[in-house]
Amino acid sequence: GNSVTQMEGPVTLSEEAFLTINCTYTATGYPSLFWYVQYPGEGLQLLLKATKADDKGSNKGFEATYRKETTSFHLEKGSVQVSDSAVYFCALSDNAGKSTFGDGTTLTVKP
Amino acid sequence: DTGVSQDPRHKITKRGQNVTFRCDPISEHNRLYWYRQTLGQGPEFLTYFQNEAQLEKSRLLSDRFSAERPKGSFSTLEIQRTEQGDSAMYLCASSGGRFYEQYFGPGTRLTVT
Repeated sequence: GNSVTQMEGPVTLSEEAFLTINCTYTATGYPSLFWYVQYPGEGLQLLLKATKADDKGSNKGFEATYRKETTSFHLEKGSVQVSDSAVYFCALSDNAGKSTFGDGTTLTVKP
Repeated sequence: DTGVSQDPRHKITKRGQNVTFRCDPISEHNRLYWYRQTLGQGPEFLTYFQNEAQLEKSRLLSDRFSAERPKGSFSTLEIQRTEQGDSAMYLCASSGGRFYEQYFGPGTRLTVT
């Protein structure tokens, strides 16, 4: 079956540091890949997506590139802010629309 | 339409009781998903619908769990004879996009005492 493995957290960074959260997946076919974010006290919301190999999803300064050869979709941001503190989930949807989520990575950014 | 809504937001029940949760998706979305999330884990897929058709229910955690979407709009998730292990956040999401990006509701937190 499909699976998503995320870098274990928690991750603590200083403001303006570079962020990478690793995500690898196992799936048959050609899934779509997503990053979702959950801010404290809020529901999950879509951060970015990529739907085919070599696509780069981007939003709010975050980026992730769909790498089929390494089955990865690592999340990056060049300069994090305190407001980026949240839990980040990597996910995939297969061709039937069924979704599989990673366990989440908690990011804390300190001023 | 402002997003996916779920009701109630919190439910405390005694072991053995039945509970039902409701989800109202974004109106133009034809797919609706139910997940369970426990502390420190990602959402665990339970079931999903396309319009009123339930496409996958093998992941429902036991025969005590059932879901319906009778008119292809709102959906209900019922848990019969609740157990303490059912305590979790139950999430609903809807999707209308070609690539199945999902929009989540705030969740219903269930506590079984």
